[in-house]
Amino acid sequence: DGGITQSPKYLFRKEGQNVTLSCEQNLNHDAMYWYRQDPGQGLRLIYYSQIVNDFQKGDIAEGYSVSREKKESFPLTVTSAQKNPTAFYLCASTVFSGNTIYFGEGSWLTVV
Amino acid sequence: GENVEQHPSTLSVQEGDSAVIKCTYSDSASNYFPWYKQELGKGPQLIIDIRSNVGEKKDQRIAVTLNKTAKHFSLHITETQPEDSAVYFCAVIGSNFGNEKLTFGTGTRLTIIP
Repeated sequence: DGGITQSPKYLFRKEGQNVTLSCEQNLNHDAMYWYRQDPGQGLRLIYYSQIVNDFQKGDIAEGYSVSREKKESFPLTVTSAQKNPTAFYLCASTVFSGNTIYFGEGSWLTVV
Repeated sequence: GENVEQHPSTLSVQEGDSAVIKCTYSDSASNYFPWYKQELGKGPQLIIDIRSNVGEKKDQRIAVTLNKTAKHFSLHITETQPEDSAVYFCAVIGSNFGNEKLTFGTGTRLTIIP
């Protein structure tokens, strides 16, 4: 099946730990995005990438890092510098910027 | 940057009635306006979109209208059904070619009352 796969669905992080959320797409999309969603809130852009080996900060990049070594993969690392990481994280992709953007099913991250 | 406002934040309608959600945006050069439906614990799903060269678009019970002069666009759902209950987000893509990104509204929780 074609689509965007995020893993894990649920992740628990101890304070001071870095964790990485996976996002893989087999849609041959060029651009990929990471959004954060807090309960009852809208979506805020963390990072986005329009081509391999290039990415830009979004509105709330502090405490996060990304890489784009392959077209189909855009992992997000939540570092210990992110003081309030508990949220729902959504990965998205599109054929090229400005076209229809599709979302994965999301990953829940909880700090314990 | 782009500023998107969405109203209302919550909306309850009787099954079979219509629901309307409105968004306003700030960048007059914005050119793409999608609407997403999000069910609890899932990713948003695109339900309809419109581009700046079109004033209205329909897909069965769902329609979107765009008023470029006033810089607002609306989602219309007719003959509402219980499965329409969800959170709906509007979004806007700005005009900065080569650096486009979606800016989302804050969402509307729609509840259909049987």
